[in-house]
Amino acid sequence: AQSVAQPEDQVNVAEGNPLTVKCTYSVSGNPYLFWYVQYPNRGLQFLLKYITGDNLVKGSYGFEAEFNKSQTSFHLKKPSALVSDSALYFCAVRESTSNTGKLIFGQGTTLQVKP
Amino acid sequence: NAGVTQTPKFRVLKTGQSMTLLCAQDMNHEYMYWYRQDPGMGLRLIHYSVGEGTTAKGEVPDGYNVSRLKKQNFLLGLESAAPSQTSVYFCASSSRWREGVNEQFFGPGTRLTVL
Repeated sequence: AQSVAQPEDQVNVAEGNPLTVKCTYSVSGNPYLFWYVQYPNRGLQFLLKYITGDNLVKGSYGFEAEFNKSQTSFHLKKPSALVSDSALYFCAVRESTSNTGKLIFGQGTTLQVKP
Repeated sequence: NAGVTQTPKFRVLKTGQSMTLLCAQDMNHEYMYWYRQDPGMGLRLIHYSVGEGTTAKGEVPDGYNVSRLKKQNFLLGLESAAPSQTSVYFCASSSRWREGVNEQFFGPGTRLTVL
């Protein structure tokens, strides 16, 4: 069965420091992986996706994610955190054999960036 | 483009009442989805549709019905609301799988409370 795990409920980081939000996945075929961000009282916004190719994917707002097939991970990173990055982050996976576009979401990680 | 819109934004129901949530998208997307978001549980798929006139069950379909009579609209119905259906509901849409592995676009959500 497909699944996504975000092992940390909350990540705290100081402004200007690098940040990492962790995600691991389990799928039977090749994974298609996504990161979304949710600001308070808003819908989810797409950040980036991995389909194939380069293991380092660059996305919106200076975020990037590293795909690691051997560790089945897709961690979200940013070299220098901003207070405005504080939000709820979701990792999601879609199995490559699915033609419905369905996503399986992790439970979310709250990122708190302190000044 | 308005993207994905949802009405209403907020609603309070009494147990046993019925209601319909409306989702509309103006991106000509084939696929549409309804999710519910509960604290600590991420997003869970209720129902989805891969085209006009077709719907399918997701992970948590019990107590909900859907209809996709027009390509741009996806309706979620609660026939007899229960307190367990208190949640934030999100609609999303995406283009067809064979047109690329594309991200889902989310609406702003509907906050539903069932007393």
